[in-house]
Amino acid sequence: KAGVTQTPRYLIKTRGQQVTLSCSPISGHRSVSWYQQTPGQGLQFLFEYFSETQRNKGNFPGRFSGRQFSNSRSEMNVSTLELGDSALYLCASSLGQGPSTDTQYFGPGTRLTVL
Amino acid sequence: GQNIDQPTEMTATEGAIVQINCTYQTSGFNGLFWYQQHAGEAPTFLSYNVLDGLEEKGRFSSFLSRSKGYSYLLLKELQMKDSASYLCAGGYGGSQGNLIFGKGTKLSVKP
Repeated sequence: KAGVTQTPRYLIKTRGQQVTLSCSPISGHRSVSWYQQTPGQGLQFLFEYFSETQRNKGNFPGRFSGRQFSNSRSEMNVSTLELGDSALYLCASSLGQGPSTDTQYFGPGTRLTVL
Repeated sequence: GQNIDQPTEMTATEGAIVQINCTYQTSGFNGLFWYQQHAGEAPTFLSYNVLDGLEEKGRFSSFLSRSKGYSYLLLKELQMKDSASYLCAGGYGGSQGNLIFGKGTKLSVKP
């Protein structure tokens, strides 16, 4: 089975721009979660989608949003980029239970640099 | 919030045993995950503990004490390839809750 894929792998943007990241889960997985990883804060939960609905959300501002399509693929969007948004954005999929009880299978991440 | 605490860095010698500790807040706690992350790579699943006690998987074992809010990951017969960050993560809020990660313990294995 193919693993979780994320595109693009690297992205450079400037402050004020917006960005959309894409994630394709493992076939058959219906839950997709997004995380931000920085050296200072570690891995932080952004949100989780299941059946096209946001099921859970972390403590991030409204500039961070996402969606899930009927084929379970997911996108996340960050608007009005700030320097502090520079991070590795990881997507993870699982069968159906949420991330709090189900093993997460992570993609390789998108490295976002905001200049 | 649900803080997850673990040491920032550890160093050990090839062939030795190392124990990485993790403490967490018990309110709303479901279970505890350990993930391994090599530099520049995605985290990969190592173990999941829900009940008290030790779970062994080859060279890796994980322990949980729910009453004490404490877990550890035990790595035996260390190999150079075990050099990585080890992430402790607590599941909170039921099956549709959050996963809270510690900041990770960077383990360096030296010859």
